[in-house]
Amino acid sequence: NAGVTQTPKFQVLKTGQSMTLQCAQDMNHEYMSWYRQDPGMGLRLIHYSVGAGITDQGEVPNGYNVSRSTTEDFPLRLLSAAPSQTSVYFCASRGLSNTGELFFGEGSRLTVL
Amino acid sequence: GESVGLHLPTLSVQEGDNSIINCAYSNSASDYFIWYKQESGKGPQFIIDIRSNMDKRQGQRVTVLLNKTVKHLSLQIAATQPGDSAVYFCAEGLAGTYKYIFGTGTRLKVLA
Repeated sequence: NAGVTQTPKFQVLKTGQSMTLQCAQDMNHEYMSWYRQDPGMGLRLIHYSVGAGITDQGEVPNGYNVSRSTTEDFPLRLLSAAPSQTSVYFCASRGLSNTGELFFGEGSRLTVL
Repeated sequence: GESVGLHLPTLSVQEGDNSIINCAYSNSASDYFIWYKQESGKGPQFIIDIRSNMDKRQGQRVTVLLNKTVKHLSLQIAATQPGDSAVYFCAEGLAGTYKYIFGTGTRLKVLA
């Protein structure tokens, strides 16, 4: 049972470069989300989606784009990377009927030079 | 990852002892609360949750206590084992929304 799969696990970018972090889940979860985790701070929500074709902003959306064309996939795009986007990124999903448990991926560590 | 936990408060306990990890939550309107465990280099894993209409819930070796009067949540781990070493953090949520507020976490170190 794969759960939530994120790729890549590690990435180094130069300022201004673009990239996409991939997230896929095989649990048929309607809700998917992206968080960033920085030292001394709790997980912060970037964007989320409650179904294909539906996305919304979280707490820290600037500099990131998302789309949801299928139930399974929720990619996160950085159009022009900045050093402030150096972080560990987590994708998480859950069913809409479940108010509690988020299933997290293993994380993607991004460094922007 | 490891660097995320460098500045976290640390709780050190002897193997076999009970651990109590505390969390102060921020929104008095939050109606459910969750504890997560995060091992080094891995994603957070769900441990246990509790709704606001409860003040205690028990799982396997874990108990969560909720005190709404002082907006405080605690996680008790019985007979702590080396595999319990990790960062633990709480999250609060509001039913009908899709946003959670996560705490910064506490590092639990289990001493042999």
